[in-house]
Amino acid sequence: AQSVTQLGSHVSVSEGALVLLRCNYSSSVPPYLFWYVQYPNQGLQLLLKYTSAATLVKGINGFEAEFKKSETSFHLTKPSAHMSDAAEYFCAVSAPFGNEKLTFGTGTRLTIIP
Amino acid sequence: NAGVTQTPKFQVLKTGQSMTLQCAQDMNHNSMYWYRQDPGMGLRLIYYSASEGTTDKGEVPNGYNVSRLNKREFSLRLESAAPSQTSVYFCASRKGGVGNTEAFFGQGTRLTVV
Repeated sequence: AQSVTQLGSHVSVSEGALVLLRCNYSSSVPPYLFWYVQYPNQGLQLLLKYTSAATLVKGINGFEAEFKKSETSFHLTKPSAHMSDAAEYFCAVSAPFGNEKLTFGTGTRLTIIP
Repeated sequence: NAGVTQTPKFQVLKTGQSMTLQCAQDMNHNSMYWYRQDPGMGLRLIYYSASEGTTDKGEVPNGYNVSRLNKREFSLRLESAAPSQTSVYFCASRKGGVGNTEAFFGQGTRLTVV
């Protein structure tokens, strides 16, 4: 079974500072990993995904994440935070085949300080 | 470009009442999902369907039933609503199969049980 753990339910950063949101996974097979963003009163939107190709994945809005098998991590980063980045972020995991289950973490709410 | 459409967007039920949440996708996806979102708990999987005619339980299936009516539609039924089922419900779909892709989400249904 696959699962993800997001460390830190709330993260605050100053505008222009580095954003780092943490996600660790547990999986018995090489996983597929995803980061989603949710703006208030909206559905979820894909930021980026890892599907066993390049370990450094670039997504929309300047975000990127690096798959580190040795650390079972898939942390989300952005070099310089913008006010519009304030939202809730979710990490998710699935198996690459044979099981369609898609499991999400508990989310991290990102606040940007002007 | 409808994507994933959920109805209704808002609903208030009395304890013990029943209702069905509807979900339809127009992307010819094989897999469909129902999640509930509660503060601090992220998205929890209720049921999913890997293909037309199949459904599987997720993490929190108790109190819910689902029907995969055809490839496009996946409904969630509450037979006897309880206050603990007050939540925001999201439907999602994805292509599925080998090389699983990302999931696409509807805008959510905000359900209050009084």
